[in-house]
Amino acid sequence: QVQLQESGPGLVKPSETLSLTCTVSGGSISDYQWNWIRQPPGKGLEWIGYIYDSGSTNYNPSLKSRITMSADTSKNQFSLKLSSMTAADTAVYYCARNSQSSFFSLGHWGQGTLVTVSS
Amino acid sequence: QSALTQPASVSGSPGQSITISCTGTSSDVGGYNYVSWYQLHPGKVPKLMIYDVSHRPSGVSNRLSGSKSGNTASLTISGLQAEDEADYYCSSYTSSNIWVFGGGTKLTVL
Repeated sequence: QVQLQESGPGLVKPSETLSLTCTVSGGSISDYQWNWIRQPPGKGLEWIGYIYDSGSTNYNPSLKSRITMSADTSKNQFSLKLSSMTAADTAVYYCARNSQSSFFSLGHWGQGTLVTVSS
Repeated sequence: QSALTQPASVSGSPGQSITISCTGTSSDVGGYNYVSWYQLHPGKVPKLMIYDVSHRPSGVSNRLSGSKSGNTASLTISGLQAEDEADYYCSSYTSSNIWVFGGGTKLTVL
């Protein structure tokens, strides 16, 4: 069974760049779509974007100017960088993989990691 | 792209049925049969409950069912159990080639 685990700093200062990594176990990052989603405290989920092992990406237009995603097949990891962080970016950040049954759904998720933006 | 609209909360007694609605537009829910539903329990990994409007992943209870009419999708849970108490989110693929989520619905089992 594929498992995903997010890692990164729990605290980021305003204007800094957030770097998160998702480590995949129990399967290869080849052939699937690897997503990032976030949930601000007390609010709903927001899709951030996805990346393929080939490096092909698709980002949410509302965040596109600040996002960089990358994939490292040798480590079976993929990463998210989000620049110019503000308090509005405080959220639980999840990584997820699309389902085997449907490209358009997220069948496997990480536990999520809380990122707080504060000086 | 605006978030999909869900009721903030629904509740029901054990054994009853509840329905959670998810309203979008013809550019998302109404335009594609790619609506998914997710269950979020605090401290647990989010779980896919329904994909492609009405399909259940292996291992998901057949007490859950999904449907769609026009721009509104629905998740129905029958025979409510205490373990169903959680937050539920809908999601849809959109004509902008991105995914959009609903605001979430808190299900309380009375």
